[in-house]
Amino acid sequence: DGGITQSPKYLFRKEGQNVTLSCEQNLNHDAMYWYRQDPGQGLRLIYYSQIVNDFQKGDIAEGYSVSREKKESFPLTVTSAQKNPTAFYLCATGGHNYGYTFGSGTRLTVV
Amino acid sequence: KNEVEQSPQNLTAQEGEFITINCSYSVGISALHWLQQHPGGGIVSLFMLSSGKKKHGRLIATINIQEKHSSLHITASHPRDSAVYICAVRGSQGNLIFGKGTKLSVKP
Repeated sequence: DGGITQSPKYLFRKEGQNVTLSCEQNLNHDAMYWYRQDPGQGLRLIYYSQIVNDFQKGDIAEGYSVSREKKESFPLTVTSAQKNPTAFYLCATGGHNYGYTFGSGTRLTVV
Repeated sequence: KNEVEQSPQNLTAQEGEFITINCSYSVGISALHWLQQHPGGGIVSLFMLSSGKKKHGRLIATINIQEKHSSLHITASHPRDSAVYICAVRGSQGNLIFGKGTKLSVKP
């Protein structure tokens, strides 16, 4: 079945560490997105990519980085510059010609 | 003011009740989405609509483009419908702009 795989489901990070969240899709969708969800808040856009080797900052890109070397993969790195990284992170694919598909999310906690 | 507003924020219903969740938006859109998020966090797309009405099982979604308003209805609600329901509209970058969600709890 086509879909999105996010890993890991739970991730713990020490202060000052970089961590990378994985997002892989086999839907052959061009567009991929990373969102952050905090309790009581709507999802907010971190980064998006509409084509391989190209990506754009979203509303809250500071402290994050991404790459899009392959169509199937859009990893998100949470750097030590992100001062409040504890959150739920969701990856999605999709666009205006078809619906959006979401991964199951990664819950990141700073310890 | 948020670009996408949902009401109510929390909703408790008895099994069998008819449920309505509302969404108002202030930006121009090409499509509006209704999504369902279960406690584990995963999100499922329920509807994508740009006009009129769509129905899937016990779920009905309507949209009024002129009034910039959409509603999600659940008929004959069931405890398994308990989840967070999220309204989202497509932004100019192709991304979705999300409401904060409505937490629905259906009691048996």
